[in-house]
Amino acid sequence: KAGVTQTPRYLIKTRGQQVTLSCSPISGHRSVSWYQQTPGQGLQFLFEYFSETQRNKGNFPGRFSGRQFSNSRSEMNVSTLELGDSALYLCASRPLAGGAEQFFGPGTRLTVL
Amino acid sequence: AQSVTQLGSHVSVSEGALVLLRCNYSSSVPPYLFWYVQYPNQGLQLLLKYTSAATLVKGINGFEAEFKKSETSFHLTKPSAHMSDAAEYFCAVSLTGGYQKVTFGTGTKLQVIP
Repeated sequence: KAGVTQTPRYLIKTRGQQVTLSCSPISGHRSVSWYQQTPGQGLQFLFEYFSETQRNKGNFPGRFSGRQFSNSRSEMNVSTLELGDSALYLCASRPLAGGAEQFFGPGTRLTVL
Repeated sequence: AQSVTQLGSHVSVSEGALVLLRCNYSSSVPPYLFWYVQYPNQGLQLLLKYTSAATLVKGINGFEAEFKKSETSFHLTKPSAHMSDAAEYFCAVSLTGGYQKVTFGTGTKLQVIP
C-alpha cells in the first residue's frame, strides 16, 4: 500500500504570495490532518478533515485554510505569506477520525523570502 | 482537554547504553498514547501505541513503553542504544472515540555518542 504523499516537497515563495500544498492519504484513510513544524514552535496542529468536513482546528489565523475532496485528498492554502510561515508542513492520514494512529507524509518544506 | 509533557528537549546517551525518554500525559479519561520518531528531513514514523490493552507495549527497532496510570506516564525505553537511533522522538495523546484531535509533545532529540 502506498504511503502518504505530499507535493511539492520543496517550495520557495516571497512575502505576500499565496501557496497551495497537496496531500494524498493512504488508500482507504478518510481523515487527513495538517501540522506546521518549526524549530521554535515544534509540531503545531493546523486542522483535520474527515469526509470533506473540517472536524478539528488549531490556533492559526484565517490565512491558513484547507479542504478535502471526495477522494480524501486534501489541500492546504496559505494566503499573504509571511516570513514566519517558513516551516515544514506535514500531512497525516488515519482510517478513522478518532483513536487510530496517524501515518505521516514526508512533508513540504516551505521557505518564504 | 488532553496534554503531553516531554521532559528534556535533548538527551545524550552512549552507544550501548539504556535509552529512556520521558513522557507524562494529562487526560480526563483513559487515552490512546503514541510514540513517533522523526529522522532529519522526514515525516514522523510510528514507533508504538497504547490503546488500553497490555500496559507494556513493544514497538519497532527494539523500543518499548509502559503505560502507568498512577503516574500518568508513558516513558519510552530501549536497552541498548544504536547510532541509528539518533533522531527526534515525539510522544502524543488522543482521547478515544469520535473526532478526537491528536496532541503532540514538544519532542526530545536523542544524541547517541560513539
